[in-house]
Amino acid sequence: LAKTTQPISMDSYEGQEVNITCSHNNIATNDYITWYQQFPSQGPRFIIQGYKTKVTNEVASLFIPADRKSSTLSLPRVSLSDTAVYYCLVGTYKYIFGTGTRLKVLA
Amino acid sequence: EAGVAQSPRYKIIEKRQSVAFWCNPISGHATLYWYQQILGQGPKLLIQFQNNGVVDDSQLPKDRFSAERLKGVDSTLKIQPAKLEDSAVYLCASSPLGEANEKLFFGSGTQLSVL
Repeated sequence: LAKTTQPISMDSYEGQEVNITCSHNNIATNDYITWYQQFPSQGPRFIIQGYKTKVTNEVASLFIPADRKSSTLSLPRVSLSDTAVYYCLVGTYKYIFGTGTRLKVLA
Repeated sequence: EAGVAQSPRYKIIEKRQSVAFWCNPISGHATLYWYQQILGQGPKLLIQFQNNGVVDDSQLPKDRFSAERLKGVDSTLKIQPAKLEDSAVYLCASSPLGEANEKLFFGSGTQLSVL
């Protein structure tokens, strides 16, 4: 299973774009990259998933370079309600959650 | 669409007591997962069911933890006897088929405090 490394915490201000990078050097050929968001007292919630290049949905964008050894979750124009822990997961059938990145959005 | 339901929401017990958690996955979801989340850490998979069969229980401390999903729908996770280090949030998740790269749907969890 591929191990992931991401920053422990980040601070941002409302209205800014936030980029969280995840490193996964030993990603396997069949592995997808998936991001989850977790608010206090709630279970994680799926945000976005991708295999290569760029994926965009109504919530975020996911950028994956050609070598797929890293990925970047981009949150456009964050608000206070985006304060949460963000997890990067790499795998096919089995996923290991790391400690995630604690994003704090400031007014 | 109803989400994953878990109960109770909170539970406080003393060490060496027993406790059980209940989970009802999203209707029609074949795969059910139990995760343990200790404060400040990411969720850790304890057991995965595909219908009523166990797919992966490699991280389940089988001397004290047990789980069942008898009819392939709802599930219970039991701890007997509980230890102080079992204090955590127990999360249940489900996915439609258990296929590669499926999205997991999580419940809000049961917060267990062992005193």
